Amino acid sequence: GEDVEQSLFLSVREGDSSVINCTYTDSSSTYLYWYKQEPGAGLQLLTYIFSNMDMKQDQRLTVLLNKKDKHLSLRIADTQTGDSAIYFCAAFSGGYNKLIFGAGTRLAVHP
Amino acid sequence: EADIYQTPRYLVIGTGKKITLECSQTMGHDKMYWYQQDPGMELHLIHYSYGVNSTEKGDLSSESTVSRIRTEHFPLTLESARPSHTSQYLCASSLQGAGEQYFGPGTRLTVT
Repeated sequence: GEDVEQSLFLSVREGDSSVINCTYTDSSSTYLYWYKQEPGAGLQLLTYIFSNMDMKQDQRLTVLLNKKDKHLSLRIADTQTGDSAIYFCAAFSGGYNKLIFGAGTRLAVHP
Repeated sequence: EADIYQTPRYLVIGTGKKITLECSQTMGHDKMYWYQQDPGMELHLIHYSYGVNSTEKGDLSSESTVSRIRTEHFPLTLESARPSHTSQYLCASSLQGAGEQYFGPGTRLTVT
């Protein structure tokens, strides 16, 4: 069935760029999303990209989509301690009419 | 900012008790969802609803039940809580046919 995979951990130094990667299996996915979850909270929608786009930039966030390889990435420029959280990638499968989440990448930002 | 609310935020109860977790949204969304998530772990869809009087089981088997009598309200009930139900429960909603889901703050349940 459909699947979304992410690496589980990423550690970066404050001020550096972070790149979180995600792969998905359903080629009919129309929208791809990035959510952020801080400790003890729900998920917050960060950004999304439509499947006919290659890149989307929103302030410090850049989303890159390689539809051929079914690979999605989230780049956070000038990473700050407040960016420490779990980041979930999600793919909306139009065929199944459901949102499939990855297991989440825990980003740790250190001085 | 998403207008989706969950109560209580934290709950500690004894084994065998019946509990209802509340979820309400004011966005007029047709679809609503319940996820179970152990701290820092992946999300598991346990129930969802396409609209009033529609409820479906999710990907993860759950001993809980849900109801959808009103568009804005989607409560989850555990008839007899057990320690294995200890987890965080997240409610979400979305427009029909849309992927982006808006999440509530979650209810952290501990069953002793």
